[in-house]
Amino acid sequence: GAGVSQTPSNKVTEKGKYVELRCDPISGHTALYWYRQSLGQGPEFLIYFQGTGAADDSGLPNDRFFAVRPEGSVSTLKIQRTERGDSAVYLCASSQGGNNEQFFGPGTRLTVL
Amino acid sequence: AQSVTQLDSQVPVFEEAPVELRCNYSSSVSVYLFWYVQYPNQGLQLLLKYLSGSTLVESINGFEAEFNKSQTSFHLRKPSVHISDTAEYFCAVSDHGGYQKVTFGTGTKLQVIP
Repeated sequence: GAGVSQTPSNKVTEKGKYVELRCDPISGHTALYWYRQSLGQGPEFLIYFQGTGAADDSGLPNDRFFAVRPEGSVSTLKIQRTERGDSAVYLCASSQGGNNEQFFGPGTRLTVL
Repeated sequence: AQSVTQLDSQVPVFEEAPVELRCNYSSSVSVYLFWYVQYPNQGLQLLLKYLSGSTLVESINGFEAEFNKSQTSFHLRKPSVHISDTAEYFCAVSDHGGYQKVTFGTGTKLQVIP
């Protein structure tokens, strides 16, 4: 497909476990963003990549959250020692350069029991 | 820091009636403004945006929004809604920085009643 894809679509885990969420951006898009959308809220910025480097990670809530984009395409959001409060929909978006329209993926719904 | 306020969490409206979804923002710098739409079981889609120039911007499906700098508002309007407009609408803002670090409002659920 031509859009942003995210896997898995749903992830259920237990408190304290480690999870990885994957994002495949649109081919050729150099910028990639992660957002978190909690129930009843709008998406909240987590981190922005330009190419392989994290240009702004100021939205990551704490050091349990980490994201990588080693080859400048696919990105993985990693959450260690998950807590119930991490339950949310995690959205990925990509754009052709940092200042262009962002295209969003369908999200990964994370549930921490 | 920038922020967005959407005062209405839900707006029910009858089909073919007009609708206005309110959005106010705060920022210490010049901003870009956006409305995103999320249809049931779908991802976020950009509906329209204000970057510069004309303060009235339109979407392809009949929505329009007007940037009002003095009132720091960017309300979304449609003169006649359809059932297919039922969705959640998010107002968003980003500053004129080097990239779009977008701040979203909490969303307004538009329910069109047949």
